[in-house]
Amino acid sequence: QKEVEQDPGPLSVPEGAIVSLNCTYSNSAFQYFMWYRQYSRKGPELLMYTYSSGNKEDGRFTAQVDKSSKYISLFIRDSQPSDSATYLCAPTRGAQKLVFGQGTRLTINP
Amino acid sequence: DAGVIQSPRHEVTEMGQEVTLRCKPISGHDYLFWYRQTMMRGLELLIYFNNNVPIDDSGMPEDRFSAKMPNASFSTLKIQPSEPRDSAVYFCASSFPGGALNEQFFGPGTRLTVL
Repeated sequence: QKEVEQDPGPLSVPEGAIVSLNCTYSNSAFQYFMWYRQYSRKGPELLMYTYSSGNKEDGRFTAQVDKSSKYISLFIRDSQPSDSATYLCAPTRGAQKLVFGQGTRLTINP
Repeated sequence: DAGVIQSPRHEVTEMGQEVTLRCKPISGHDYLFWYRQTMMRGLELLIYFNNNVPIDDSGMPEDRFSAKMPNASFSTLKIQPSEPRDSAVYFCASSFPGGALNEQFFGPGTRLTVL
């Protein structure tokens, strides 16, 4: 079993829709949960992160962690064509080494 | 700041040839990471360095792969001999302790095609 599982998609939704991206993980030692965004032919960039369980909101983006079920979610409200990218979850124990999910390729259609 | 710099951006080579990928991390960052990304396997960590010393190379697929960091501003990833299954995008990233959750800053990647 992989440490981090993420549906690679692709996922295609109309502009303005609410998007839900999800990951599951197996290592209960993970404490920090990061989301990276990768535009086509670019390197990944940190989008946001949460610590332990709970929600964190940043503009149109909300990251949610449920440690009891080992489930990570990223919600995008009022999605825009500029949100079209691959989103990678990356839980960590807080050390330098990250374990990335496979990434979900998202397209927002105008 | 120029960010993480990688060269070349694209490399096309024939099976059996030696390939060398280069990376210049962000100045002041003392961690450097090499990743490989494919559609099938996603983003995989190959090796990472701290203060120029390799810390974890458990992701290096086999002896054909080697990585060095002779100084704080330069690292190489070498594949010898290359095989078609090595075709992928190779990313270099750097970070520093105390940054936002050890945020890793990625370069633009090197797209490698082995024929």
